[in-house]
Amino acid sequence: GQNIDQPTEMTATEGAIVQINCTYQTSGFNGLFWYQQHAGEAPTFLSYNVLDGLEEKGRFSSFLSRSKGYSYLLLKELQMKDSASYLCAVRDNTNAGKSTFGDGTTLTVKP
Amino acid sequence: EPEVTQTPSHQVTQMGQEVILRCVPISNHLYFYWYRQILGQKVEFLVSFYNNEISEKSEIFDDQFSVERPDGSNFTLKIRSTKLEDSAMYFCASNQQGSKGYTFGSGTRLTVV
Repeated sequence: GQNIDQPTEMTATEGAIVQINCTYQTSGFNGLFWYQQHAGEAPTFLSYNVLDGLEEKGRFSSFLSRSKGYSYLLLKELQMKDSASYLCAVRDNTNAGKSTFGDGTTLTVKP
Repeated sequence: EPEVTQTPSHQVTQMGQEVILRCVPISNHLYFYWYRQILGQKVEFLVSFYNNEISEKSEIFDDQFSVERPDGSNFTLKIRSTKLEDSAMYFCASNQQGSKGYTFGSGTRLTVV
């Protein structure tokens, strides 16, 4: 099975940078995803890492270290609309590759 | 941008009744999933579907649950005899390759009373 840990809540200031960490223990690994979920809405895909290193996509970057079972999502130039839950999800190595989600980190961006 | 469509958006049903949740995945996607999210809790895997058959199912997906792809576009989740604890948001998701991120539908909020 998969065990995924991420902080429950974080608060940051508009314009700042925030890093959301995720650690995982897995019986099979074929990639790590970050999703954003606003209250009452569906998750939306942000990033995918399968190899070690940093993936950058605009204001958002995601990092993976497979040996450490560790990832982070970095959000730069925070905007009020970035207030949401951020879900770390690990894909297993079966054919259809189900994902196991963490509990999510609720980020509040303050003015 | 292509979307995954789910209907209905809300469903209220009495305990013991059958419900069918409907999804239209993105047309060129090959992998289909159902997840659920109980209010305030994490997103939980129910079932994956590929090549017209179930690939994997979770412990939650017991004999009361079934999925079908009755035609080339629809993907349905049936709960035969609903229980109070089935109340949740049910998300359909699809992707083109197993390695890519999902596109989720907007969800069906199921309330069992």
